[in-house]
Amino acid sequence: DAGVTQSPTHLIKTRGQHVTLRCSPISGHKSVSWYQQVLGQGPQFIFQYYEKEERGRGNFPDRFSARQFPNYSSELNVNALLLGDSALYLCASADYPSTDTQYFGPGTRLTVL
Amino acid sequence: QKEVEQDPGPLSVPEGAIVSLNCTYSNSAFQYFMWYRQYSRKGPELLMYTYSSGNKEDGRFTAQVDKSSKYISLFIRDSQPSDSATYLCAMSAQISGGYQKVTFGTGTKLQVIP
Repeated sequence: DAGVTQSPTHLIKTRGQHVTLRCSPISGHKSVSWYQQVLGQGPQFIFQYYEKEERGRGNFPDRFSARQFPNYSSELNVNALLLGDSALYLCASADYPSTDTQYFGPGTRLTVL
Repeated sequence: QKEVEQDPGPLSVPEGAIVSLNCTYSNSAFQYFMWYRQYSRKGPELLMYTYSSGNKEDGRFTAQVDKSSKYISLFIRDSQPSDSATYLCAMSAQISGGYQKVTFGTGTKLQVIP
């Protein structure tokens, strides 16, 4: 059974540009969460979606937005990129509400120049 | 004060050693406790998951939770070079709106030397 998949694997953008990252959860999982992991730090929570609705939002600016589609896949959008947005962006899925255990994808490494 | 504190290491041990990794936390609302392993440039992989005080064992790994002291540990017995990775503790609490917010430690980098 396939795990969480994310695309693209790597991405290079310049300041001020927009980026869209994509995530497909484990089959049957309806909850998707997004995290930002800066080098040397633990993942920081950005958003959680369940049944296509935003359930939680971390302390990130409005430049960050996300959505979940009817097939439970998700997109994370970041506008007006800053150098500080360079990080590994992780998607995690969970078989919520049965369990809160989150399973992570391999991440998308974003570099902003 | 951070909600979750984890010694970043790095920690270097000889093969076969017992490794102890620890986290402390300040938020009494944390209900679920997890340990993840993360290899370089990869996503975190769930190792252990527990929701109560006490010990949970899985092969060479033992997770320990002490809610009264707000302290969790991960023990690795007979450590192997393949255990070399960053270990992240994580804890979750239910937030208004019904979702579980997961807070991670900064991770401890472990190197097991052959």
